[in-house]
Amino acid sequence: GENVEQHPSTLSVQEGDSAVIKCTYSDSASNYFPWYKQELGKRPQLIIDIRSNVGEKKDQRIAVTLNKTAKHFSLHITETQPEDSAVYFCAARSNTGGFKTIFGAGTRLFVKA
Amino acid sequence: DADVTQTPRNRITKTGKRIMLECSQTKGHDRMYWYRQDPGLGLRLIYYSFDVKDINKGEISDGYSVSRQAQAKFSLSLESAIPNQTALYFCATSDPRAGPNSPLHFGNGTRLTVT
Repeated sequence: GENVEQHPSTLSVQEGDSAVIKCTYSDSASNYFPWYKQELGKRPQLIIDIRSNVGEKKDQRIAVTLNKTAKHFSLHITETQPEDSAVYFCAARSNTGGFKTIFGAGTRLFVKA
Repeated sequence: DADVTQTPRNRITKTGKRIMLECSQTKGHDRMYWYRQDPGLGLRLIYYSFDVKDINKGEISDGYSVSRQAQAKFSLSLESAIPNQTALYFCATSDPRAGPNSPLHFGNGTRLTVT
């Protein structure tokens, strides 16, 4: 089945710097890659997603890139702010194998003011 | 989303007890999921259901069972709770009408402690 690995597990950046979180997946049939943000004590919420027919997608300060050949995808946050501090999860889903969404282990991002 | 509701929010129970976690949704989504969150392990899929007559095992179904009582309700049971089932449990929904790449919508979570 699908396996998603996420790095780093913890990331600390200075306010205004960029943050990058990387994920790899194992199932070449995966075609949907969402990213979720979980603030302390709250539920995970979708912040951006990308489909396998797209190499990059941007939404204001966040962007995702996908390399299907290498089976890895990344989240980029520019001009980080203290409110970006949270746990970020990458995930992958395949239309085969039951449309299951499989998550990475998460990255705890600290943005220091 | 306030329209995916989990009860209880917190529960402490003893080893060997049977416990049920409940999830209800007003989003009208056909697909419902139960995930477990542990520090350093992310969110792991326990069971999922695509309609009332459909139940599927996820990555870590041993020790759990589910019931899809109606489109809007999906409950998770621990038949005989053990301490390593202590975790934060999330219910989620998705809407196939939004296409194959529809995102998950999570409930607020249930924090379960087994002593």
